[in-house]
Amino acid sequence: DIQMTQSPSTLSASLGDRVTITCRASQSISTWLAWYQQKPGKAPKLLIYKASTLESGVPSRFSGSGSGTEFTLTISSLQPDDFATYYCQQYNTYPWTFGQGTRVEIK
Amino acid sequence: EAQLVESGGGLVQPGGSLRLSCAASGLTFTSYWMSWVRQAPGKGLEWVANIKQDGSEKHYVDSVKGRFTVSRDNAKNSLYLQMNSLRDEDTAVYHCARGGFYYGLWGQGTTVTVSS
Repeated sequence: DIQMTQSPSTLSASLGDRVTITCRASQSISTWLAWYQQKPGKAPKLLIYKASTLESGVPSRFSGSGSGTEFTLTISSLQPDDFATYYCQQYNTYPWTFGQGTRVEIK
Repeated sequence: EAQLVESGGGLVQPGGSLRLSCAASGLTFTSYWMSWVRQAPGKGLEWVANIKQDGSEKHYVDSVKGRFTVSRDNAKNSLYLQMNSLRDEDTAVYHCARGGFYYGLWGQGTTVTVSS
């Protein structure tokens, strides 16, 4: 199985900060990567697919980049609604796998 | 508005069975692969299974192969997950999701608790 490793596991940041989350795959997944945001007790929300394509309706402060084995999710200016847990997911090779999550908390 | 609503969760003893359902509305169900994704209490997301539009192709995570069966009824706009030989480690919130690869629409989930 392809292992997805996110860093950091927890990130403390302030409103307006630029935030970057990294996701590394144990083997190349081309650009078959998605990012999700999840808040407690809620279903995940798709932010980005194919590594860098912004899902419709997602604010432009979210962006994704990368290919192969290394990927990043960037929030250009952290807003109150962004405090949540973020997951990456590969869909290159079955079984699809998720990263362990990165919790973004208020500093 | 597109919506997915899961049902069928509950408390079951180890070795028992449950059948989860997911009712889709506001979307052209037959246009989409559909999937199940679960989340154990306090843990991350785990992909479980998916099924092609016509049911001709299905995939499963190894830990459920031979125990779980994904199916769909396109006439009823419904997705199912038959879960047999349940184990403690199957305890989770089970979400259905639209798509076979990445997921732009999720249900709120149904809770499955496996415990004696």
